[in-house]
Amino acid sequence: QQQVKQSPQSLIVQKGGISIINCAYENTAFDYFPWYQQFPGKGPALLIAIRPDVSEKKEGRFTISFNKSAKQFSLHIMDSQPGDSATYFCAASKRSGGYNKLIFGAGTRLAVHP
Amino acid sequence: DVKVTQSSRYLVKRTGEKVFLECVQDMDHENMFWYRQDPGLGLRLIYFSYDVKMKEKGDIPEGYSVSREKKERFSLILESASTNQTSMYLCASSSSGSGEQFFGPGTRLTVL
Repeated sequence: QQQVKQSPQSLIVQKGGISIINCAYENTAFDYFPWYQQFPGKGPALLIAIRPDVSEKKEGRFTISFNKSAKQFSLHIMDSQPGDSATYFCAASKRSGGYNKLIFGAGTRLAVHP
Repeated sequence: DVKVTQSSRYLVKRTGEKVFLECVQDMDHENMFWYRQDPGLGLRLIYFSYDVKMKEKGDIPEGYSVSREKKERFSLILESASTNQTSMYLCASSSSGSGEQFFGPGTRLTVL
């Protein structure tokens, strides 16, 4: 059973546009929601993360919006650039002891055209 | 910078072979993870370890085992490789005080 659903599977955006990727989760015990960015030939790297006590977190051009009641969160990339072309994964976890066991979404392949 | 290295970028094995994938991290992290990445399925957790010699099953452990004899090294073992284990395998590590996982570059395994 997929606990984190991510959409869309792929996204094409023009340079300067806004990229929006959505995720929905099922387990209300999740308390950590990161987004990872993966370039071809590389492993994923943490981009930005949020905890459910805030509704929005912004880091540069990247913003996470979090809706606890709807069990949804989204990544917004403002002023999208060709260098943002990558695969993006949302994830969710509940801290257990000394580790976070992440549940990943299926991924979104973003292409930003010049 | 945290560095997670994986022993091979590409690997081709035959059905039935025993396969070892090695992962080493240099940041003294307590936690280490093995995932497989398949198109349309995202990253799925195979096994993880929160301490030396400690291991726990992830979501898809069938057909795999792991070994962690030293803190910096976490091995994934395919006892008898099968074609459905053809995939990208990613290793990650994290400290006990942080949710952030640091990933290696991955090993693309092909089982013929």
